[in-house]
Amino acid sequence: DAKTTQPPSMDCAEGRAANLPCNHSTISGNEYVYWYRQIHSQGPQYIIHGLKNNETNEMASLIITEDRKSSTLILPHATLRDTAVYYCILPSAAGNKLTFGGGTRVLVKP
Amino acid sequence: DTEVTQTPKHLVMGMTNKKSLKCEQHMGHRAMYWYKQKAKKPPELMFVYSYEKLSINESVPSRFSPECPNSSLLNLHLHALQPEDSALYLCASSQLFARGGGNTEAFFGQGTRLTVV
Repeated sequence: DAKTTQPPSMDCAEGRAANLPCNHSTISGNEYVYWYRQIHSQGPQYIIHGLKNNETNEMASLIITEDRKSSTLILPHATLRDTAVYYCILPSAAGNKLTFGGGTRVLVKP
Repeated sequence: DTEVTQTPKHLVMGMTNKKSLKCEQHMGHRAMYWYKQKAKKPPELMFVYSYEKLSINESVPSRFSPECPNSSLLNLHLHALQPEDSALYLCASSQLFARGGGNTEAFFGQGTRLTVV
């Protein structure tokens, strides 16, 4: 399975944009990039996904580089409720596999 | 209904007990998952069911026994567990992944917090 690499932690000021990087240099041509987050003591929650083009929804934006070897999740106006662990994942259709890496622990500070 | 419901929310069991965790979804999803999560670690995939058949077993010890009795239900039977098996057990469901892993999201339950004494 293609692997992802994320910084272990980052801080962000409330109201500012949070930019979360993810490296996936071994991604194959048809693999999607997914982002989930897990707020303390809750189950993970889907945020957004993309293949090649940039994507935006009500929660976040996803920027994928042209060579698809990295991506950035953008939380446009971080709030205290965005404090969570954010996971960048490449699901595998082989066996329907959804594997979590280390993630980035984001702390939004007032 | 976009919920995955897990019961019980908390479970304390002795090492000689037999217990079961339950998971239910009514979204018509044909893939269901069990994960184990220790404190401050990412969820660790245990089992995947596709069309009610076990498609992935990530070398999980036999004291954990999954069961998918129908397309809406997923059970995890527990027997002779060890204290180190104490963790948050998460269930998830999704549509089957298309080629390349897209284009579907997984829904997670809130988990069962298991303590083995």
